[in-house]
Amino acid sequence: GQNIDQPTEMTATEGAIVQINCTYQTSGFNGLFWYQQHAGEAPTFLSYNVLDGLEEKGRFSSFLSRSKGYSYLLLKELQMKDSASYLCAVTGGSYIPTFGRGTSLIVHP
Amino acid sequence: DSGVTQTPKHLITATGQRVTLRCSPRSGDLSVYWYQQSLDQGLQFLIQYYNGEERAKGNILERFSAQQFPDLHSELNLSSLELGDSALYFCASSVASATAQETQYFGPGTRLLVL
Repeated sequence: GQNIDQPTEMTATEGAIVQINCTYQTSGFNGLFWYQQHAGEAPTFLSYNVLDGLEEKGRFSSFLSRSKGYSYLLLKELQMKDSASYLCAVTGGSYIPTFGRGTSLIVHP
Repeated sequence: DSGVTQTPKHLITATGQRVTLRCSPRSGDLSVYWYQQSLDQGLQFLIQYYNGEERAKGNILERFSAQQFPDLHSELNLSSLELGDSALYFCASSVASATAQETQYFGPGTRLLVL
């Protein structure tokens, strides 16, 4: 089975940097996804990590350490529109992602 | 806009009833996945279809069933509805059969309320 752990809620200030952590325990590992989901809307793809290290994509970066079962999503230059839930999802042998409960990020002025 | 469409957007029904949710995948995608998202459970995988055939099954109740048609659209049937079935139901699609890692693209969801 797979177990994914993320903080339930985080708050940050507009313009700041925030790091959202995700730890996982899986039987088999193929990759880790991060999705953004605004309230009542569809999850949208942010990043995918399969190898250790940092993947940078504009204001968002994602890091993976497979040996530690750990990932983080780094959001820079926070904007109000970044207020959303951030879902960490891990795929094992079946390639079907198992999603964490999500981290609700609140960005305030 | 992901290119995945779902209808209806909202559905209100009563306990014991049956409903059908519909999904059209992105053009060219052969796989369709169904997920249920409730406040206390997060996003839960229900079932996957690839090119008309069931490919993987998750936490899907026996009261629920799905199918994928030759034109690749999919329907999720929920019967003998209970209050606890109230949730957001998402459909996602990807190019192939999930035998290799692929990104899934999600539709806007159907919000089901069972009264």
